[in-house]
Amino acid sequence: GQSLEQPSEVTAVEGAIVQINCTYQTSGFYGLSWYQQHDGGAPTFLSYNALDGLEETGRFSSFLSRSDSYGYLLLQELQMKDSASYFCAVRPSSRPEYGNKLVFGAGTILRVKS
Amino acid sequence: DSGVTQTPKHLITATGQRVTLRCSPRSGDLSVYWYQQSLDQGLQFLIQYYNGEERAKGNILERFSAQQFPDLHSELNLSSLELGDSALYFCASSVGGGVYGYTFGSGTRLTVV
Repeated sequence: GQSLEQPSEVTAVEGAIVQINCTYQTSGFYGLSWYQQHDGGAPTFLSYNALDGLEETGRFSSFLSRSDSYGYLLLQELQMKDSASYFCAVRPSSRPEYGNKLVFGAGTILRVKS
Repeated sequence: DSGVTQTPKHLITATGQRVTLRCSPRSGDLSVYWYQQSLDQGLQFLIQYYNGEERAKGNILERFSAQQFPDLHSELNLSSLELGDSALYFCASSVGGGVYGYTFGSGTRLTVV
């Protein structure tokens, strides 16, 4: 089976840096993705790591260590609008019978305080 | 507007009824995925179609079925509805394997009363 673990909730102040961790156990691995979801809205794609290391996109960075089955999302210069749920997701396999489904973690609620 | 269109946005129906949720993928995307999100829960994968063919199935109940049509739009049919089926149902689409990201629609909020 597949499982992803991430903290249920994180609180930080405006302007700060916050890191949301994700550990995964899957029968296969073809990359770790991160999605943002504002309350009741559509999840939106933030980043993707297929290889070890850090990927940076503006204020957001994502890191992957395949040997540790671990990744994180780093948000810098936090803004109130960053208050949302953040999901890590793994594509477990490229096998045709598994298709291309993403398996999502339960999500981390980020609360940004002024 | 993400380019993925889901209708209806809201649906209220009684237990035992049947409903159909519709999704039009982003232009050019061949893969369609359906996810269920219950209150304060993560996204549970239901089913994936690629160019009209079912490619992957998650923990989709037997009461639920889906299909993708030649014009690539997809429908998710939910029957014999129960209170526990109340949830947000999202459709997403991607080009090919979607490894680099899915584009989600705004969802259909289903309330079973």
